[in-house]
Amino acid sequence: ETGVTQTPRHLVMGMTNKKSLKCEQHLGHNAMYWYKQSAKKPLELMFVYNFKEQTENNSVPSRFSPECPNSSHLFLHLHTLQPEDSALYLCASSQEGAGGAPGFFGPGTRLTVL
Amino acid sequence: RKEVEQDPGPFNVPEGATVAFNCTYSNSASQSFFWYRQDCRKEPKLLMSVYSSGNEDGRFTAQLNRASQYISLLIRDSKLSDSATYLCVVSHQAGTALIFGKGTTLSVSS
Repeated sequence: ETGVTQTPRHLVMGMTNKKSLKCEQHLGHNAMYWYKQSAKKPLELMFVYNFKEQTENNSVPSRFSPECPNSSHLFLHLHTLQPEDSALYLCASSQEGAGGAPGFFGPGTRLTVL
Repeated sequence: RKEVEQDPGPFNVPEGATVAFNCTYSNSASQSFFWYRQDCRKEPKLLMSVYSSGNEDGRFTAQLNRASQYISLLIRDSKLSDSATYLCVVSHQAGTALIFGKGTTLSVSS
């Protein structure tokens, strides 16, 4: 398998549920990112991991909890979300030193919070 | 003022037309610049980086004007397959947060 993969592709959850989004990159990159894309808004960076260490948390509410066990895997744990958290969650990866560009995005998880 | 501003469009052009998108950024310390393309309900894909000297990739030409804090993308001989949203992206330094514009929507018709 190549590129960046994300599971699940679609997720519907209630506000009291706990779920996790998974991202895996097969590109040998050392940086991974979580982005949120809401309707009619620009992509918002949520978290950055370089060499498995979190280097940026863009003022994201604590109901979103990232985990990066190794440089190929990234998780986003979700709990007690709000309906306004419904969005497309995109994972991306890049090679540090490559100008900061997340060269590759995963297909995203479309999340609906009821 | 938004960090990265783009005209949202939509731009509706016939096949074969030349179309230009503009983007302005507010942080003069920005160091890296890119154009991404996003198809409907798909993930963004890197289209091209933007260099101070300007760069071209086939029918696509990107230019950067640091003094005016302005980036452009020119598409020549538009194809139906060019229909997408084009995202202007800026980063303040290598390996840090990427700032995305809202995107400009292009629709090419036959």
